[in-house]
Amino acid sequence: KAGVTQTPRYLIKTRGQQVTLSCSPISGHRSVSWYQQTPGQGLQFLFEYFSETQRNKGNFPGRFSGRQFSNSRSEMNVSTLELGDSALYLCASSKLITSGGHEQFFGPGTRLTVL
Amino acid sequence: DQQVKQNSPSLSVQEGRISILNCDYTNSMFDYFLWYKKYPAEGPTFLISISSIKDKNEDGRFTVFLNKSAKHLSLHIVPSQPGDSAVYFCAAAPSGGGADGLTFGKGTHLIIQP
Repeated sequence: KAGVTQTPRYLIKTRGQQVTLSCSPISGHRSVSWYQQTPGQGLQFLFEYFSETQRNKGNFPGRFSGRQFSNSRSEMNVSTLELGDSALYLCASSKLITSGGHEQFFGPGTRLTVL
Repeated sequence: DQQVKQNSPSLSVQEGRISILNCDYTNSMFDYFLWYKKYPAEGPTFLISISSIKDKNEDGRFTVFLNKSAKHLSLHIVPSQPGDSAVYFCAAAPSGGGADGLTFGKGTHLIIQP
């Protein structure tokens, strides 16, 4: 079974630009979560989508947004980029498990550098 | 306010010995805990998990211990191997099931020395 894929793997943008990152979850997984990883803050939760609906949102400004398509693929968008947005953006997919299992499977990430 | 804390940014252990990685949490709503391992340039890989109804879960060389009263969990790796060198993240999720966002610690960089 193919894993979570993210494109692009690396991206360089300048301040003020906007960026769109893409994530394809594992086949059969309907939940997609996005995380930002920085050296100082570790892994921080951005938002989670399930069946094209945002179910949970972390503590990030409105410049960060996302969406999910009917095939469960997801995109996240960051507008008006700031230097501090430079980070590794990770996408994770999971099945919906009601018994307490929260295992998420991560993609390799997109390394975004803002100049 | 950090809800999941890994107070050791790095840990160096000799090959063959036991590695113990610690994690503390503050949110009483957390009832499911996971450990992830991350190599450079790769996404985190799920390692082992534990539900709050247990105090120990074992999988091969990896054992996770949970002390609910102390809000503390630890990951034991025995014996440590060179391939275990990586960053280890502790993560927690609240009760209620589903795939809510995980809250991660900042990670501990484990270095296994030959």
